[in-house]
Amino acid sequence: DTGVSQDPRHKITKRGQNVTFRCDPISEHNRLYWYRQTLGQGPEFLTYFQNEAQLEKSRLLSDRFSAERPKGSFSTLEIQRTEQGDSAMYLCASSLSADYGYTFGSGTRLTVV
Amino acid sequence: GENVEQHPSTLSVQEGDSAVIKCTYSDSASNYFPWYKQELGKRPQLIIDIRSNVGEKKDQRIAVTLNKTAKHFSLHITETQPEDSAVYFCAASNRGNYGGSQGNLIFGKGTKLSVKP
Repeated sequence: DTGVSQDPRHKITKRGQNVTFRCDPISEHNRLYWYRQTLGQGPEFLTYFQNEAQLEKSRLLSDRFSAERPKGSFSTLEIQRTEQGDSAMYLCASSLSADYGYTFGSGTRLTVV
Repeated sequence: GENVEQHPSTLSVQEGDSAVIKCTYSDSASNYFPWYKQELGKRPQLIIDIRSNVGEKKDQRIAVTLNKTAKHFSLHITETQPEDSAVYFCAASNRGNYGGSQGNLIFGKGTKLSVKP
């Protein structure tokens, strides 16, 4: 394991379509986080997992967003009925546990047209 | 929940000068404060962090200070070099809702640092 992997790197989709992103964390990391970043802004928290349990979800997160982490390994983030406002960089990060620095993946850049 | 304010939003310095970026946080229960550097088109990378039981930490040209009473922390970069040019983000841990442990990190909006040769 050399780091956090995200797939795909880029995704262009039409408004109204569903998209799914995948994140593979560093294998020994228990925590996995999803953030969203738009141009000129800091990463905005979406949700996080400890092992397979989804512990927190941002109140700002629409019901169109759902995330899973089956078996406590990789995670998927699905956005249903995409809107233009969903266009952003979606960053995944993992950490050994709470209060440890994150290792970020390279992100998935979503463009909704 | 936690709120993090970061200043300035842009900072331009001459090579060799020092740069200071300041952040304030709102939740006195926060106990972990990392700093990330993000170069254009790349992922944020952890450069230094500090925990609430420490007032200052240094790593070569980079140092971070924490004032728990005032709820602010700062990043200091000395002898700046052109390769220090990037966007820097501060973050503070957010108290989680499970078991009292810290949950996620809340990030500031970032400071774009430009180091002129």
